[in-house]
Amino acid sequence: GAVVSQHPSRVICKSGTSVKIECRSLDFQATTMFWYRQFPKQSLMLMATSNEGSKATYEQGVEKDKFLINHASLTLSTLTVTSAHPEDSSFYICSARDRQGGLEQYFGPGTRLTVT
Amino acid sequence: AQKVTQAQTEISVVEKEDVTLDCVYETRDTTYYLFWYKQPPSGELVFLIRRNSFDEQNEISGRYSWNFQKSTSSFNFTITASQVVDSAVYFCALSEWHAGNMLTFGGGTRLMVKP
Repeated sequence: GAVVSQHPSRVICKSGTSVKIECRSLDFQATTMFWYRQFPKQSLMLMATSNEGSKATYEQGVEKDKFLINHASLTLSTLTVTSAHPEDSSFYICSARDRQGGLEQYFGPGTRLTVT
Repeated sequence: AQKVTQAQTEISVVEKEDVTLDCVYETRDTTYYLFWYKQPPSGELVFLIRRNSFDEQNEISGRYSWNFQKSTSSFNFTITASQVVDSAVYFCALSEWHAGNMLTFGGGTRLMVKP
């Protein structure tokens, strides 16, 4: 149980274009999902917290107009990187917390974004 | 503020050696949770253990063991008889109850186990 999927697993896009990453909880409902970014050989940094039906909460230094988050249902959150640039190339990981409570964050397998 | 420090950025051992990964944390909360995750080259995080601040009992799971000491704010992870498949980046993480249990990750320790 507690499986989180991400799609796509890898994406290459051209500079200036937008790319959408999906995060789904497959066997549970998640009121809260988290988006992390991980640059090569670095740790995971929380970008934003996504709550179903409300606006996402962004961490300091993360541009909300660039990284659009939509959590439209209890099983799906999307992260759209708008006007992507090479410096946005990174590994994006989502996690989800079960609606029924508990502390665990269940992590997705990650999406590797390369902007050329 | 919460902070997690993994002072060892890279460790290299030979197979069958024991290895300990250090984790030191800072928190003002009395209720908090500590985690260890493994990140193999594929990138997917693998949950290893969670400990709450009220449970200092050490834990052993197969070749893995964890030593939680509140007196030194440490939560160290030992792999006994390491294997090549243990090669990965290991992250220690902290969440504070009063901070909504948001995870703060340490910098990670890259473990390389050589045959």
